[in-house]
Amino acid sequence: GAVVSQHPSRVICKSGTSVKIECRSLDFQATTMFWYRQFPKQSLMLMATSNEGSKATYEQGVEKDKFLINHASLTLSTLTVTSAHPEDSSFYICSANLADRRGSPLHFGNGTRLTVT
Amino acid sequence: KNEVEQSPQNLTAQEGEFITINCSYSVGISALHWLQQHPGGGIVSLFMLSSGKKKHGRLIATINIQEKHSSLHITASHPRDSAVYICAVGRRGAQKLVFGQGTRLTINP
Repeated sequence: GAVVSQHPSRVICKSGTSVKIECRSLDFQATTMFWYRQFPKQSLMLMATSNEGSKATYEQGVEKDKFLINHASLTLSTLTVTSAHPEDSSFYICSANLADRRGSPLHFGNGTRLTVT
Repeated sequence: KNEVEQSPQNLTAQEGEFITINCSYSVGISALHWLQQHPGGGIVSLFMLSSGKKKHGRLIATINIQEKHSSLHITASHPRDSAVYICAVGRRGAQKLVFGQGTRLTINP
């Protein structure tokens, strides 16, 4: 079945460095992907909607310059956490809808656990 | 008040028990999703509903559009069902989802 692959699954980085997280749709095209952040024991919080070939749409309160999103192809979206700080430590997860049909089954990546030291 | 409310927040039961998790929402929706998140973090889509009832194995999901309420049932629960179950709704006319807080289910052997 359709699969979304997210990489890396776990990353530890030093404060001030940048980290790139990739989200790939493996056997389907996704013009839209979603990036979420999840703090421990809390639900998913939508950060931004990644649109292929155009700028991402960020949710209120999410810094565009800090969380750079690039969706250069129909199968790949990347989230770059720039100048990471310990408060950016969190679980980041992406999702895509099959063929972007609204209401179609969701497919999630396995998430990336980011720890900033 | 959250647009999507789940209950209970935490649920512990014995293996074999019948489990019900509830979700109420306050917005017009195009679809409602039930998701399962395992301790490692990965999320699996269990159901997508816009009306009626769906069944997959021991899982049953129902939705009442008039009452803006959905339930997820697990029959003959098993320790491997232990996970966080999340209700999410797609607002009418929008792609992004609104999530409930999740229900942490623990099934003891």
